[in-house]
Amino acid sequence: EVQLVQSGAEVKKPGESLRISCKGSGYSFISYWISWVRQMPGKGLEWMGRIDPSDSYTNYSPSFQGHVTISADKSTTTAYLQWSSLRASDTAMYYCARMGPTGVWFGPWGQGTLVTVSS
Amino acid sequence: QSALTQPASVSGSPGQSITISCTGTGTDVGGYNYVSWYQQHPGKAPFLMIYDVSNRPSGVSNRFSGSKSGNTASLTISGLQAEDEADYYCNSYTSSNTLVFGGGTKLTVL
Repeated sequence: EVQLVQSGAEVKKPGESLRISCKGSGYSFISYWISWVRQMPGKGLEWMGRIDPSDSYTNYSPSFQGHVTISADKSTTTAYLQWSSLRASDTAMYYCARMGPTGVWFGPWGQGTLVTVSS
Repeated sequence: QSALTQPASVSGSPGQSITISCTGTGTDVGGYNYVSWYQQHPGKAPFLMIYDVSNRPSGVSNRFSGSKSGNTASLTISGLQAEDEADYYCNSYTSSNTLVFGGGTKLTVL
């Protein structure tokens, strides 16, 4: 069974750094892109970016470029989303999702990681 | 890049059919057959319902169907059931080699 399991909820202060994870299992990790998607409280889905785990090539939404970094570790079949300096506006649920073979649709999805940034 | 345009809400009675639209431009929805649809129940992760405009993943009910005309894609749900009540999001590949979601549509089953 293909599964993506994300790390647990985080509570951080503005300016702190954070890395959340997404572990893939049940499939060839290097054969499918992984995307990250943000959902702010009560709001819709926003595509942040994606990574090709085979070579770590990344592709970001202009809205998130420069504020987050997406990475992957083939040896542990884990993708990461990280911030060097969090803002209160980063408070949201973050989902990872495996992309389809063409890299343009999402499925399956991780269970989500809630990030709360508050002073 | 702007989000694709979806109606904020739609509603229907059990057994009826409803259609949710997703309007973009020639650089996203209209330019590629790469529109997908997702169902999200409250407090749950999204779930793939349709990919590549009209393809259904195995396990998804054939009551769900997708189509596209010009810059507008559509998701139709026939034989509406109470369990279909959820938020629905469209997504499209874009000419900038990015992906963009619609704003989401809340489906209420009356």
